[in-house]
Amino acid sequence: EAQVTQNPRYLITVTGKKLTVTCSQNMNHEYMSWYRQDPGLGLRQIYYSMNVEVTDKGDVPEGYKVSRKEKRNFPLILESPSPNQTSLYFCASSLSGQAFNQPQHFGDGTRLSIL
Amino acid sequence: QQPVQSPQAVILREGEDAVINCSSSKALYSVHWYRQKHGEAPVFLMILLKGGEQKGHDKISASFNEKKQQSSLYLTASQLSYSGTYFCGTAHNAGNMLTFGGGTRLMVKP
Repeated sequence: EAQVTQNPRYLITVTGKKLTVTCSQNMNHEYMSWYRQDPGLGLRQIYYSMNVEVTDKGDVPEGYKVSRKEKRNFPLILESPSPNQTSLYFCASSLSGQAFNQPQHFGDGTRLSIL
Repeated sequence: QQPVQSPQAVILREGEDAVINCSSSKALYSVHWYRQKHGEAPVFLMILLKGGEQKGHDKISASFNEKKQQSSLYLTASQLSYSGTYFCGTAHNAGNMLTFGGGTRLMVKP
């Protein structure tokens, strides 16, 4: 089944403890992206990647890192999480390396709570 | 800059129509529409590219007015399954970023 898989689905952790949220897609998509969703603010893009080894900042990149060493994986790293990063995170992918004309396929989300 | 969606919320009875608007302060290259049900991932509905096109998907259609920098999503003869939060996502060039609006919560009652 074609899908975007995120892990973990839920995580409660403490300030400053490094964490990684994994994202994997099995559709051979070139474009991958991370969003955070907060009430009233919709989806805000954190980072995106047009292809392997190519990443770029979205609207809210502060406090996050990403890497794209393989086409299928796009992990989101929080080196030193803080409470303001408590949010619902979505990974998404699309076929081509451009977002403007391609549907985004979303993972099921990761709910992160940082105490 | 995030596009502005209106209304923020709407309650309908089954069979009624609704319009959701998405406006941008910057020139638009394309507009995406997604629906998200509670506790689930957003699901793609349609993309409109610049050129003023209109698209349809069952009883859900959308228009894109390039000059006014806005798009509208039309839901006709609404069904219970239409309930959810609708998001527009905008692209300002033929590039790699989508910027989403704050969402419109739609509730369809029997």
